[in-house]
Amino acid sequence: GAGVSQSPSNKVTEKGKDVELRCDPISGHTALYWYRQSLGQGLEFLIYFQGNSAPDKSGLPSDRFSAERTGGSVSTLTIQRTQQEDSAVYLCASSLYNSPLHFGNGTRLTVT
Amino acid sequence: QQQVKQSPQSLIVQKGGISIINCAYENTAFDYFPWYQQFPGKGPALLIAIRPDVSEKKEGRFTISFNKSAKQFSLHIMDSQPGDSATYFCAARKEGSARQLTFGSGTQLTVLP
Repeated sequence: GAGVSQSPSNKVTEKGKDVELRCDPISGHTALYWYRQSLGQGLEFLIYFQGNSAPDKSGLPSDRFSAERTGGSVSTLTIQRTQQEDSAVYLCASSLYNSPLHFGNGTRLTVT
Repeated sequence: QQQVKQSPQSLIVQKGGISIINCAYENTAFDYFPWYQQFPGKGPALLIAIRPDVSEKKEGRFTISFNKSAKQFSLHIMDSQPGDSATYFCAARKEGSARQLTFGSGTQLTVLP
């Protein structure tokens, strides 16, 4: 079926506002990852969901960042009180356990 | 702490030439080393991967060379084409850890026509 779908593709928000980024993984993929890609930088791990296990939140940069995955499928990454340094491309990926990651095209977040 | 170091940051190659991108890692527990290719506006896509029990893997024009003792691996693109122009990321993952990949900082490759 379709690949990993992310929405919106672009988001411009004012500093201090909250934003929600959505990820629809490939059907049947049990693992879901969020990464952040800043301009000219590599991919920074944020959070990992695997099945019904507790998520690995070790990469979240601050308590303003949170994510949930409902029904083992769709995931939402929420950034509260956005700051200019949050501007980046947020990438979602999904996979079967221990299999290659399939990335979405990302959400480009710009905080003005 | 950067666990996977990638170089060069950018690379310009003439059409038909060989593109070489290098990565070095620190954690000897890493046992899976993929390369991802990313075009502008797209997410990274798996290009080729290797495990440390082999020293080389080739898929078409793309080859990974792996040196376990030096903790280094590299991507070679033979007969480089303008369509290969993209950003390339190396990555590494610990054995048995589906948790996450550790990515290098990326190499922006430009192949001139």
